[in-house]
Amino acid sequence: GENVEQHPSTLSVQEGDSAVIKCTYSDSASNYFPWYKQELGKRPQLIIDIRSNVGEKKDQRIAVTLNKTAKHFSLHITETQPEDSAVYFCAAASNAGGTSYGKLTFGQGTILTVHP
Amino acid sequence: KAGVTQTPRYLIKTRGQQVTLSCSPISGHRSVSWYQQTPGQGLQFLFEYFSETQRNKGNFPGRFSGRQFSNSRSEMNVSTLELGDSALYLCASSPGLAGTYEQYFGPGTRLTVT
Repeated sequence: GENVEQHPSTLSVQEGDSAVIKCTYSDSASNYFPWYKQELGKRPQLIIDIRSNVGEKKDQRIAVTLNKTAKHFSLHITETQPEDSAVYFCAAASNAGGTSYGKLTFGQGTILTVHP
Repeated sequence: KAGVTQTPRYLIKTRGQQVTLSCSPISGHRSVSWYQQTPGQGLQFLFEYFSETQRNKGNFPGRFSGRQFSNSRSEMNVSTLELGDSALYLCASSPGLAGTYEQYFGPGTRLTVT
């Protein structure tokens, strides 16, 4: 089955700096890659996602890049703010064989701390 | 639209008991996926239901089961509870149709097994 590795496990930055979180996946059939942000005691929230037919997607201060050949994808947050502090999870899914994207395989998470 | 809701939010059970958790998806969503979240294992997929049928299954023992009703609401059941079943159980809903991808999570049910 799919295996997703996420690095780093913790990341500490100063407000205004950029943060980058990287994930690798093992199943070449995976073709959907969402990122979730989970604040303490809250539900995971989808912040951005990318499908395998594009290499980059941007939404204001966040962007995701995908390298299908190398099987890795990254989350980039620019101009970080204290409210960006949370746990970030990457995930991968495949609809190979006509199945749905209902099974997400998650990375272990990155605790991001943004210091004012 | 109202978001995904889960009941109960907190539950304390004793080893050996069974428990049923409920999830109501976003209106119009037909797919419900369940995940277990623990500090040690992270977020792990349990199963997905679509139109009352299990469409995907994770690597959990048979003590974990689920079902979906005609209104898309879903329940999961854990029988013969073990201490290791203590976790946050999250459900996520999505339209479930071809060309749709996003999953939206509920607030979770915090299960403590003593």
